[in-house]
Amino acid sequence: DIQMTQSPSSLSASVGDRVTITCRASQDIDNYLAWYQQKPGKVPKLLTYAASFLQSGVPSRFSGSGSGTDFTLTISSLQPEDVATYYCQTYYSAPFTFGPGTKVDVK
Amino acid sequence: EVQLLESGGGLVQPGGSLRLSCAASGFPVTTFAMNWVRQAPGKGLEWVSVIYGSTSYYADSVRGRFIISKDNSKNTLFLQLNSLRAEDTAIYYCAKGLTQYQLLGDGLDVWGQGTTVTVS
Repeated sequence: DIQMTQSPSSLSASVGDRVTITCRASQDIDNYLAWYQQKPGKVPKLLTYAASFLQSGVPSRFSGSGSGTDFTLTISSLQPEDVATYYCQTYYSAPFTFGPGTKVDVK
Repeated sequence: EVQLLESGGGLVQPGGSLRLSCAASGFPVTTFAMNWVRQAPGKGLEWVSVIYGSTSYYADSVRGRFIISKDNSKNTLFLQLNSLRAEDTAIYYCAKGLTQYQLLGDGLDVWGQGTTVTVS
């Protein structure tokens, strides 16, 4: 099974800061990676798929990159409404494992 | 509008069973990979199972105990939970694969509100 790790586990940044979250797969997953945002008490929301494709309706300040084993989710200018936990997920092969999540707060 | 609505959660004793349902509207479940994802209280997301056509896969933690199925005529996804354990306590979400006719693996673009299963 493919294992997914994320770093950091949590971060606090100021409004307008550039935020980067890293996701690493235990083996090559090509670009079979999605990122999700889950706000407190809410349902997860798809942000990006195929590592770098922005889901329809997602603000352009979010971007994904990477291939193989190393991936990043970047928020170019953090906004108060971005307070959430962010998860990566591989869908290269079942089981489609999620990363442990990165909690993002605003200072 | 594309929607998913789960039901069937509840309180069950260890060793018991439950059947979760996920009614889909606005798209045919026959042409999309359909998933179950769970989230234990205060914990992260855990992928549980996927079905596309007659092919299904499971997480190691539920294989042999849970069964995913769907009724195309009712456009509904199911998850049969057997031999339940305390660690199965979670909100169970059904989620739709992004791409039509994409076999199994895909981003999950539509999620239901979830149904809560408590094993105690």
